[in-house]
Amino acid sequence: QSALTQPASVSGSPGQSITISCSGTSKDVGTSELVSWYQQFPGKAPTLIIFQGTKRASGVSDRFSASKSGNTASLTISGLRAEDEADYYCCSFALYKTFFFGGGTRLTVL
Amino acid sequence: EVELLESGGGLVQPGGSLRLSCAVSGFSFSLYAMNWVRQAPGKGLEWVAVIGGDGDRINYADSVEGRFSISRDNSRNTLFLQMSSLRVEDTAIYYCAKDKWGAVGTGTLDSWGQGTPVTVSS
Repeated sequence: QSALTQPASVSGSPGQSITISCSGTSKDVGTSELVSWYQQFPGKAPTLIIFQGTKRASGVSDRFSASKSGNTASLTISGLRAEDEADYYCCSFALYKTFFFGGGTRLTVL
Repeated sequence: EVELLESGGGLVQPGGSLRLSCAVSGFSFSLYAMNWVRQAPGKGLEWVAVIGGDGDRINYADSVEGRFSISRDNSRNTLFLQMSSLRVEDTAIYYCAKDKWGAVGTGTLDSWGQGTPVTVSS
């Protein structure tokens, strides 16, 4: 088992768009309908923002969107705001009924 | 309102044991799979274990297989994680998390507790 691959950090200015990638394999992201994304602020528990690959969780801004192509899932945040600064994690259901998180991406709003 | 409250964390020596609990309220506990997820200091999230709503369909991460045991008491709305043969690398905040979809785990975790810290050190 190994974690999914995410960039360690991304940054953008207010109003810009950023994309965070999540690379896996054909045994997880590539064949899973159950890719999810989580947002975590320092010292807080994670919260679900995207599920089933592309669906926004309740209360999540439509500035957050997600997609998947092959073995890579992506999270896009448009109209970047200061309050979006957080850590973001992808997660995928995998074969043998286990789950993997990505290593996490620190988003900095410049 | 869904609430999950972990307890049982603390300081333990390498090789020792600890039992974590997660008391839940606000939803029909037995209808949902539950998970433990941990986060080492300054590190990312690591899924640890999942248990189905009926207490079946149990799976573990390779890193804890054979040392940790997940269980639940649906009559008390409580999830457990029995940890044994603890290692320094098990030091982390341990979160319990509810699966969004139902009795079978999907890795879609829509509610999380605030976590309980576990420190393994001599």
